[in-house]
Amino acid sequence: GENVEQHPSTLSVQEGDSAVIKCTYSDSASNYFPWYKQELGKRPQLIIDIRSNVGEKKDQRIAVTLNKTAKHFSLHITETQPEDSAVYFCAASKGNAGNMLTFGGGTRLMVKP
Amino acid sequence: GAVVSQHPSWVICKSGTSVKIECRSLDFQATTMFWYRQFPKQSLMLMATSNEGSKATYEQGVEKDKFLINHASLTLSTLTVTSAHPEDSSFYICSVKTRGVDSPLHFGNGTRLTVT
Repeated sequence: GENVEQHPSTLSVQEGDSAVIKCTYSDSASNYFPWYKQELGKRPQLIIDIRSNVGEKKDQRIAVTLNKTAKHFSLHITETQPEDSAVYFCAASKGNAGNMLTFGGGTRLMVKP
Repeated sequence: GAVVSQHPSWVICKSGTSVKIECRSLDFQATTMFWYRQFPKQSLMLMATSNEGSKATYEQGVEKDKFLINHASLTLSTLTVTSAHPEDSSFYICSVKTRGVDSPLHFGNGTRLTVT
């Protein structure tokens, strides 16, 4: 089955700096890669996703890049703000976006004001 | 607005009792729902896939007789933790696959289960 590795497990940045979180996956058949933000005790919220036919996608301060050959994808947050502090999870799945997700281990991001 | 309703949001029960968690899709018919478990400071781990009108598919290491899943209608799936023990204390989250082509999963708000 699919295995998703995520690094780093914790990340502390100063407000205004950029944050980068990286994930690798094992199953070359995976073709959908979402990123979720989870605040304490709450459900994961989809913040951005990318499909395997695209190398990069951007939405305001958030961007995701995908390298299919190397089987890794990354989340980039620019101009970080304290409200970006949360746990971020990458995930991978095969087929449509609504299929079963395999999650990475999570990254706790702390943005210091 | 929320498209998936999960209840209860939290529950405390005594060891040996059973707890039922409900996951409802509000605005659409859901043929497939996924149940995840998340221990403190850990990732979401898939427990089982719930299919309407058929038996659930359980992930390796998840006891089907302990975690009973019923998906009797297109809008409701239930997870019953039977004979709960303190090690079952966790955050349980359902997610729903809609019938729309390539629509992302929608997550419930989760249920915090504490077994004393």
